[in-house]
Amino acid sequence: ETGVTQTPRHLVMGMTNKKSLKCEQHLGHNAMYWYKQSAKKPLELMFVYSLEERVENNSVPSRFSPECPNSSHLFLHLHTLQPEDSALYLCASSQEGTAAYEQYFGPGTRLTVT
Amino acid sequence: GENVEQHPSTLSVQEGDSAVIKCTYSDSASNYFPWYKQELGKRPQLIIDIRSNVGEKKDQRIAVTLNKTAKHFSLHITETQPEDSAVYFCAASDSNDYKLSFGAGTTVTVRA
Repeated sequence: ETGVTQTPRHLVMGMTNKKSLKCEQHLGHNAMYWYKQSAKKPLELMFVYSLEERVENNSVPSRFSPECPNSSHLFLHLHTLQPEDSALYLCASSQEGTAAYEQYFGPGTRLTVT
Repeated sequence: GENVEQHPSTLSVQEGDSAVIKCTYSDSASNYFPWYKQELGKRPQLIIDIRSNVGEKKDQRIAVTLNKTAKHFSLHITETQPEDSAVYFCAASDSNDYKLSFGAGTTVTVRA
């Protein structure tokens, strides 16, 4: 498979559940990103990893916990979420860990918190 | 931090007409300005970008202009076609180039 893939594509979870989102990039890139996309709002950057090191944590609540075991994989661990966390979560990758490179997005995980 | 504002939020144009979307940014040190297109149910994809050392860039029916003095940049789509219907996002890099700040998006509808 090519490009950036994300699993699952859809997720419904209760406020007390623990779940993880997975992202994998097949482009040989060095940087990976998590974004939150809510209706009628700008894409919100959550985390940036460059060469497996977190370089940006955009004031995200601790109920979101990222993990980047290698340059091809990125996880977002979720626990005790709130209904307002319901959104589309997009993963992206870029050649280098700077904003001045094209970012390739995955298809997203549509998360619903009940 | 960087603040990007995008207007209009929705835009309806007749097929064949032009569409213009405008964005302003706050950080004078920003030097990279991409535009992403997101079709319904699909992922955002880069359609054009511009760097601060140029004032205009064209790619077929799409062009972007940048005015660094006024801190605004615009996307121009000429001879619009139904497949141009999508949400368009502008973005600007922050001063240390670690991240992009996105506008809220413009929903473009091309009427046949």
